[in-house]
Amino acid sequence: AAGVIQSPRHLIKEKRETATLKCYPIPRHDTVYWYQQGPGQDPQFLISFYEKMQSDKGSIPDRFSAQQFSDYHSELNMSSLELGDSALYFCASSSYGISGNTIYFGEGSWLTVV
Amino acid sequence: AQSVTQLGSHVSVSEGALVLLRCNYSSSVPPYLFWYVQYPNQGLQLLLKYTSAATLVKGINGFEAEFKKSETSFHLTKPSAHMSDAAEYFCAVSETGGAQKLVFGQGTRLTINP
Repeated sequence: AAGVIQSPRHLIKEKRETATLKCYPIPRHDTVYWYQQGPGQDPQFLISFYEKMQSDKGSIPDRFSAQQFSDYHSELNMSSLELGDSALYFCASSSYGISGNTIYFGEGSWLTVV
Repeated sequence: AQSVTQLGSHVSVSEGALVLLRCNYSSSVPPYLFWYVQYPNQGLQLLLKYTSAATLVKGINGFEAEFKKSETSFHLTKPSAHMSDAAEYFCAVSETGGAQKLVFGQGTRLTINP
């Protein structure tokens, strides 16, 4: 079965640079979530989109922005990168009508800021 | 607001012994509860979920969890540990219905001793 696809899997950026992560949800899933997991930490919710509209917002820095496109893929844009942004970024997707509110996660994108 | 507390950041058991990972939740509405497993340098894989049907939920890899409303608990168990069970385990809660984000516990690192 198709899973959540994230790209790139690994990314190295310097401080103050910009990074963009992409996420392709499971087909027919209408909700996308972004999570950030720092080293040794639990995943922290950043933001979610339902049917291309922002549905919820968590602890996402103002330097970060995200959107969901007409084909339901999503992008997380991170600007003015800081060392503390180094983390594993997960995208996840769900569809209440299909997966009954179960959220499926991608493999994650490792961002290292140097 | 929902929250999850996992008791014990590290649990160590011998191969073949019972695995018990504890999770207590707080939610103002009937919750959906989940256990996810994360192997080193990998994404989050769903082990099992509770969605108000049977209180004893069976998942993959021989794991199961029991929802106890009176104790606000959703502990994860496995009768006989295997070396391949060594991983980080996260309990998570979401509110019922709609596109609701997950709130994760702090995680429990399970070590299996030969």
